[in-house]
Amino acid sequence: GNSVTQMEGPVTLSEEAFLTINCTYTATGYPSLFWYVQYPGEGLQLLLKATKADDKGSNKGFEATYRKETTSFHLEKGSVQVSDSAVYFCALMKGGSEKLVFGKGTKLTVNP
Amino acid sequence: EPEVTQTPSHQVTQMGQEVILRCVPISNHLYFYWYRQILGQKVEFLVSFYNNEISEKSEIFDDQFSVERPDGSNFTLKIRSTKLEDSAMYFCASSEEGGGNEQFFGPGTRLTVL
Repeated sequence: GNSVTQMEGPVTLSEEAFLTINCTYTATGYPSLFWYVQYPGEGLQLLLKATKADDKGSNKGFEATYRKETTSFHLEKGSVQVSDSAVYFCALMKGGSEKLVFGKGTKLTVNP
Repeated sequence: EPEVTQTPSHQVTQMGQEVILRCVPISNHLYFYWYRQILGQKVEFLVSFYNNEISEKSEIFDDQFSVERPDGSNFTLKIRSTKLEDSAMYFCASSEEGGGNEQFFGPGTRLTVL
């Protein structure tokens, strides 16, 4: 079946550090890939997405590239801020479905 | 900015009781969803709803679960006879269109079954 595996947390970084959160997926065909973020007390918000191989999604300094050959969609940011502290979820959606399939989430804490 | 709201934020119930979780999706959205996250586990899809009917559901969404859009604004999830294993955070979401468009999530309702 379709599944998403992402890096276990928690991850703790200092401000301005480089961030990578790994995400790999298993799916038949060509799913769309997403990163969602959940700030404390809020719902999940779409951070970025990519719909086909080699697409790069980007938003708020975060980037992720859809790599079909490695079935990966790793999230990166060059310089994190305290305000980036949140839980990050990688997810996929197969074509023809409305269902998001999520990874377990990675909690990021950025210290000043 | 429009947002999805959910009530209550926390619901405590006894095993075997019925619960109704309520959601108000974003007003011009046409697609509605419920997901849940058991503590320490993944966020799991339960059901999608479009044009007043279920469009997709997971194997979790058995006869104990039902969804309804009773009026033009609310979207509810009913669990007929709760079990201990139904304890989870339940997220409602909505989207303007289907097919991979952004789903906007509410803050969740934490359901505790005793």
